[in-house]
Amino acid sequence: AQKVTQAQTEISVVEKEDVTLDCVYETRDTTYYLFWYKQPPSGELVFLIRRNSFDEQNEISGRYSWNFQKSTSSFNFTITASQVVDSAVYFCALSRIYNQGGKLIFGQGTELSVKP
Amino acid sequence: DAMVIQNPRYQVTQFGKPVTLSCSQTLNHNVMYWYQQKSSQAPKLLFHYYDKDFNNEADTPDNFQSRRPNTSFCFLDIRSPGLGDAAMYLCATSVLTGYGYTFGSGTRLTVV
Repeated sequence: AQKVTQAQTEISVVEKEDVTLDCVYETRDTTYYLFWYKQPPSGELVFLIRRNSFDEQNEISGRYSWNFQKSTSSFNFTITASQVVDSAVYFCALSRIYNQGGKLIFGQGTELSVKP
Repeated sequence: DAMVIQNPRYQVTQFGKPVTLSCSQTLNHNVMYWYQQKSSQAPKLLFHYYDKDFNNEADTPDNFQSRRPNTSFCFLDIRSPGLGDAAMYLCATSVLTGYGYTFGSGTRLTVV
């Protein structure tokens, strides 16, 4: 079965602190995609990153970085020098790939609160 | 800009009164999805279309139906909304393999 676990339900930090959001996934598929989405209070899902299961390179985009470790089935997300605008719910998701479209399986989300 | 558009942004409907939510896309993606997201929960897939092929999730209530008259449009019909159907409804599209998901801004449904 496919499953995504985000063990941290809520995290609260003070501005400028670094914060890491954990994501652990389960799948029997050999090929899959992993995603992170941000959901601000307005409700839309904002795409942050997509990672192919074959590509274990870590990625950095500005203050955001992602650590993909296939050996531990983890895809963690770090925000460096957090800002109040980073406050949102963050979802990690796994996409099954099959011949009629991928299906996103979401974790339960981590609500990040960044206080000034 | 190519995008996924959901209308309306907010919808209020009466208990038991049929309601339709709409989604359109300019991306020409083969696959369109409807997700339901209740408060403080993760989005949950209701069904998806691959072109005109409809794929229902096993646990999607019969109260929910969908139509895709053409590549660009997809509708979510709730035949008899109950209070438990109040949620954010998210439309998404993707290319065949699931690479390149794009979400709309969602429709927040309130049932009174």
